[in-house]
Amino acid sequence: GAGVSQSPSNKVTEKGKDVELRCDPISGHTALYWYRQSLGQGLEFLIYFQGNSAPDKSGLPSDRFSAERTGGSVSTLTIQRTQQEDSAVYLCASSLGFSGSSTDTQYFGPGTRLTVL
Amino acid sequence: GENVEQHPSTLSVQEGDSAVIKCTYSDSASNYFPWYKQELGKGPQLIIDIRSNVGEKKDQRIAVTLNKTAKHFSLHITETQPEDSAVYFCAASMESGGYQKVTFGTGTKLQVIP
Repeated sequence: GAGVSQSPSNKVTEKGKDVELRCDPISGHTALYWYRQSLGQGLEFLIYFQGNSAPDKSGLPSDRFSAERTGGSVSTLTIQRTQQEDSAVYLCASSLGFSGSSTDTQYFGPGTRLTVL
Repeated sequence: GENVEQHPSTLSVQEGDSAVIKCTYSDSASNYFPWYKQELGKGPQLIIDIRSNVGEKKDQRIAVTLNKTAKHFSLHITETQPEDSAVYFCAASMESGGYQKVTFGTGTKLQVIP
């Protein structure tokens, strides 16, 4: 079946503009995650969704970052008033989301490369 | 919280040789350890995983080992090929607040020289 998809694949924006990044998870996956990957760095956790609610937002770096998920499926990550330090690859992952499962594997999308000029 | 350390950060091997990447974790509550391969311009792809009740798992040229006592786990790639060149991430996962929270290592850039 189809994997996790993200759009756009690349986004170039000017400092101070708002951007929206979209993630379409694997069908049937109730859990959805956003990560940020700066150049040559590891994966920085941003937020986790279970269904439409976000029990863990602890990784959002500032109040300029927000995310929502509707219909238990598509998620949008919004960055307001973008700054140059926001430039990174934003990765989305989804998983079955079974609480207590010992192997709730996350499957990643291809990412959105954001460049803030 | 969990802390995962990964070494080395870069690794160059000759085609046909073996490659080993090592990780350590800090929280004994971690019970699932996936490994991801990330090729340039793509998202990380799961290549192999191991649960805490297993000491070793093998899939063709790839194997993972886990030492729960020492909190060490390793990825072994034998008979390396140029297409193995990529960045590899280890991860440790534990249940936290009703879901599996995953902490990633900082990655190892593997270069296989033909």
